[in-house]
Amino acid sequence: KNQVEQSPQSLIILEGKNCTLQCNYTVSPFSNLRWYKQDTGRGPVSLTIMTFSENTKSNGRYTATLDADTKQSSLHITASQLSDSASYICVVRGQAGTALIFGKGTTLSVSS
Amino acid sequence: EPEVTQTPSHQVTQMGQEVILRCVPISNHLYFYWYRQILGQKVEFLVSFYNNEISEKSEIFDDQFSVERPDGSNFTLKIRSTKLEDSAMYFCASSGEKGSNSPLHFGNGTRLTVT
Repeated sequence: KNQVEQSPQSLIILEGKNCTLQCNYTVSPFSNLRWYKQDTGRGPVSLTIMTFSENTKSNGRYTATLDADTKQSSLHITASQLSDSASYICVVRGQAGTALIFGKGTTLSVSS
Repeated sequence: EPEVTQTPSHQVTQMGQEVILRCVPISNHLYFYWYRQILGQKVEFLVSFYNNEISEKSEIFDDQFSVERPDGSNFTLKIRSTKLEDSAMYFCASSGEKGSNSPLHFGNGTRLTVT
């Protein structure tokens, strides 16, 4: 069954610190992997999209990595800010069809 | 920056009633989607729509659901006879490109509460 699992479920860090969020997926065949940021009560906003041939992609302070062999991805956030407090969702698209398969997300809280 | 807009932001309805959720996708986009998120759970795919027809739908999207693009700007999701378990946040999304690597732009959702 196609699944996307994320860890940790939640994370609390101090402002200015770095953190790394993990994603494992079983979607096969695989087209691309996306990371989204979702603020409470809002729609998801795209951070990065990586195809199977890409190992890393950055968007400002966000850097995503992908290991298509082990079916793992990570999202690294550098120098966290209070506004980074949100849910970070790993999303995978298979080669067949148009549907995106969402993970449950990691809830990040950045405190001062 | 252009955005996907959804109305209403919150809809309360009684079980068995029909509801229509409305979305205005980004103007030059051609691919449209509905997703839903039950409180505390994952976002789930409902349906994709292109060229005035459904491209793909999930098991959730049964005969009680329908989608329509009644004019050049709106994209609607209709639930014919709502059930308690339809209570969720419904997100509309659109994409401007056909490729599988194109980003989806999500609206801020309509929270549907069925009582």
